[in-house]
Amino acid sequence: DAKTTQPPSMDCAEGRAANLPCNHSTISGNEYVYWYRQIHSQGPQYIIHGLKNNETNEMASLIITEDRKSSTLILPHATLRDTAVYYCIVSAGGSQGNLIFGKGTKLSVKP
Amino acid sequence: DTGVSQNPRHKITKRGQNVTFRCDPISEHNRLYWYRQTLGQGPEFLTYFQNEAQLEKSRLLSDRFSAERPKGSFSTLEIQRTEQGDSAMYLCASSFEAAISKKLFFGSGTQLSVL
Repeated sequence: DAKTTQPPSMDCAEGRAANLPCNHSTISGNEYVYWYRQIHSQGPQYIIHGLKNNETNEMASLIITEDRKSSTLILPHATLRDTAVYYCIVSAGGSQGNLIFGKGTKLSVKP
Repeated sequence: DTGVSQNPRHKITKRGQNVTFRCDPISEHNRLYWYRQTLGQGPEFLTYFQNEAQLEKSRLLSDRFSAERPKGSFSTLEIQRTEQGDSAMYLCASSFEAAISKKLFFGSGTQLSVL
């Protein structure tokens, strides 16, 4: 079973920030938080990952709470092409374990 | 194109037939994964290889399923005696083993329909 809880769906206006929450209250000390997204009819795409500190890359920002029990993926200026299912996954680093996907959050960006 | 390539893109077969899918990973990646995805669900892990060695198999991978990666490059997934419940998207992904993170690169998948 997935170790994360995400809302099934969210809407966001085009050009606004999309904030996608994820609860992972049973996360272990050696587990990272990963975010992937899947646009319709395509394979999942890696977005970002983090362990303790907040992370930012060209796609998104990841904010992890101090107790690491939850996190938020932020798309700063959502576009229509960001409409996708977003998966939050916790997994040990390196070669340990595999990525276990849940059902994710269906983000709909609207004009 | 340097991404993960999967063939065929679509496969329609009759129940009881055997099917084989192929995955070509990113060339320098030594890890290769197979996932299965049904409508409305997230991808489910099936198996993975490190080079030519199959290191883990999910309970979902029944004895009708077999995966190979004979030379540590491309991989094949074969389903024997297909059943309607096998209808799904079969996704392949690859990654670089030495990387600390699980940054997987996925192909576009093979959509299997069993009639």
